[in-house]
Order: sequence, then structure tokens, then C-alpha cells
Amino acid sequence: AQSVAQPEDQVNVAEGNPLTVKCTYSVSGNPYLFWYVQYPNRGLQFLLKYITGDNLVKGSYGFEAEFNKSQTSFHLKKPSALVSDSALYFCAVRDMAAGNKLTFGGGTRVLVKP
Amino acid sequence: GAVVSQHPSWVICKSGTSVKIECRSLDFQATTMFWYRQFPKQSLMLMATSNEGSKATYEQGVEKDKFLINHASLTLSTLTVTSAHPEDSSFYICSARESLATTGELFFGEGSRLTVL
Repeated sequence: AQSVAQPEDQVNVAEGNPLTVKCTYSVSGNPYLFWYVQYPNRGLQFLLKYITGDNLVKGSYGFEAEFNKSQTSFHLKKPSALVSDSALYFCAVRDMAAGNKLTFGGGTRVLVKP
Repeated sequence: GAVVSQHPSWVICKSGTSVKIECRSLDFQATTMFWYRQFPKQSLMLMATSNEGSKATYEQGVEKDKFLINHASLTLSTLTVTSAHPEDSSFYICSARESLATTGELFFGEGSRLTVL
């Protein structure tokens, strides 16, 4: 079975500082990895994905993530955080061997302080 | 990116009534849509996979007679919460992927907050 772990419930960072949100995954086949962001009482917005190719993936709003197969990780990063980046972030994995299902991590709340 | 529209955004109903939530893909066709439920400060829980023209596939522990799903066209799936009770109060989110985009990301609706009195 596929699974995703986001070890931090909340990440606090000062505006302008680097932001990292951690994610590790477990799949039996090749993983498709995704990051989504959710603002209060809203649906999820797609940030970026890793399917194949370069391990460093660049996405929306200045976010990027690095796929590390040996560590089974897909951490989300932003070099300089903004107050508007404060939201709930979800990592998700889709195991192509398991069909269409997307499994989400528990979410990490990011709070960027001015 | 593709747009998924979900309606209504908010609904309040009395216990025992049924509520229908619509999920539409506005600019693409989706043979498969997914319905999630999200409790406060928690992650998304997949309830069921909605398949156009066939029966939905429900996750373990989700009552199919309680949460009726109909995927009548390539752009519309509906979730009906039957005989709703206060414990059904939650945030329901649908998502869809373009039919031909086998490696694509899911696009999510804005969610529907159901409050059962």
C-alpha cells in the first residue's frame, strides 16, 4: 500500500527566510509525487509534480521540490517565504501500480510571520 | 490549469434530509472523479472514485447507501448525502483528472461545507 508522511504538523518561518516542508513516501512501484496548497475553506491548488526526469521540480509561486529516491523524500522548498504563503500544504503520491488513487499526507500548516 | 466547479459552497440542512453536491469539470472531460471528505485540521480522506457510466468504487468503511454517487456525464459527478445526520457535517471536496492525461495532476473543486443541524 502507498503512504505519505509529513512529519511536521506546523512550520513557522520569518518572512524572507527559506521555507522547507518535508515529505516522505512509500510505494511499491514508481511514484508520481505532488504538492498542493489549501487556503481556509477552499479546495486544493496544485503547486508542482514529479513524474520522471530531473529530480528538481519547479512549480507555481516560486516553489520547488526535490525528488530523492534513495531517501524516498519529496521536500517542498521556497528560497524566500512570503506572508501570503501561510496555508496548509499537502504532499501526495500516486503509485502507478495501484491505479488512479492519490494518497495524501496529513498536511503541514505553514505560518510565515512578518 | 483546468477548472473544477463545485456547488454549493455552503449548505445547512436539517437532520434527516438529503443534500446533493455537484462537481463539474468546466473545460475538460473526466471519466474519473474523486470525492474526498476533510475533517477540521485533518487531511483529505478518499471516499469514493466516481466512474462515468458505471458504479462508483467506494473506499472501505464508506457507506454506499449513505453517500450516493452518480457520474452521468464526462463533466458531471454528484454526491448525495442521504438522510443526513450531524456526524455527516464536514467539508467535501471533489477532484478530477483529464481523461487522456494519465500522468496528470488532479484538479480540485473549491469544496462544499455541509452543516447538518
